[in-house]
Amino acid sequence: AQSVTQLDSHVSVSEGTPVLLRCNYSSSYSPSLFWYVQHPNKGLQLLLKYTSAATLVKGINGFEAEFKKSETSFHLTKPSAHMSDAAEYFCVVSRYGNNDMRFGAGTRLTVKP
Amino acid sequence: DAGITQSPRHKVTETGTPVTLRCHQTENHRYMYWYRQDPGHGLRLIHYSYGVKDTDKGEVSDGYSVSRSKTEDFLLTLESATSSQTSVYFCAIGGRGQPHNSPLHFGNGTRLTVT
Repeated sequence: AQSVTQLDSHVSVSEGTPVLLRCNYSSSYSPSLFWYVQHPNKGLQLLLKYTSAATLVKGINGFEAEFKKSETSFHLTKPSAHMSDAAEYFCVVSRYGNNDMRFGAGTRLTVKP
Repeated sequence: DAGITQSPRHKVTETGTPVTLRCHQTENHRYMYWYRQDPGHGLRLIHYSYGVKDTDKGEVSDGYSVSRSKTEDFLLTLESATSSQTSVYFCAIGGRGQPHNSPLHFGNGTRLTVT
């Protein structure tokens, strides 16, 4: 069975500094990987997805993630944090698609002025 | 938001009572999903539907049932609510056609408290 581990439950950065949210996955086959963002009292929104095409995936709002099979990682990065990036971020793995998605526990990103 | 309405947004109920949560979509999507969100667990799939009257179990389906009599409505029922079902419940819809790798669109959630 597939699973994901988000290595940090909380990350705090200053506005304008880089963001790194770490995700490791476990899968015995080629997975699809996603990052979703959740703002307070809202549903989740897709940031980006990897589906066996380019290993560097660009998403919305300046985020990107790199699929590294040798490290079983799919870390999310952004060069410069903005206050509006403060939210909870979920790494997700699936094999067949939406019917078997497995969510990580989430990483709460705080952005300090 | 992608035309998904969850009702109610908040509900407090007592242990042992039945509860029904409603998800209504205006996007005519075939696939609909119910998740629960708990601290430390992310989101976990309860049930999903791949068409009218077609449903299947997810990862944490015990204690829940669903129904889909119309494309636009997907109901989640707790037959006899327990305190362990206190959670935030999210409805989501998938892409048209095949579900593979199409992004989910989520509603804004229902916060359920069972006392």
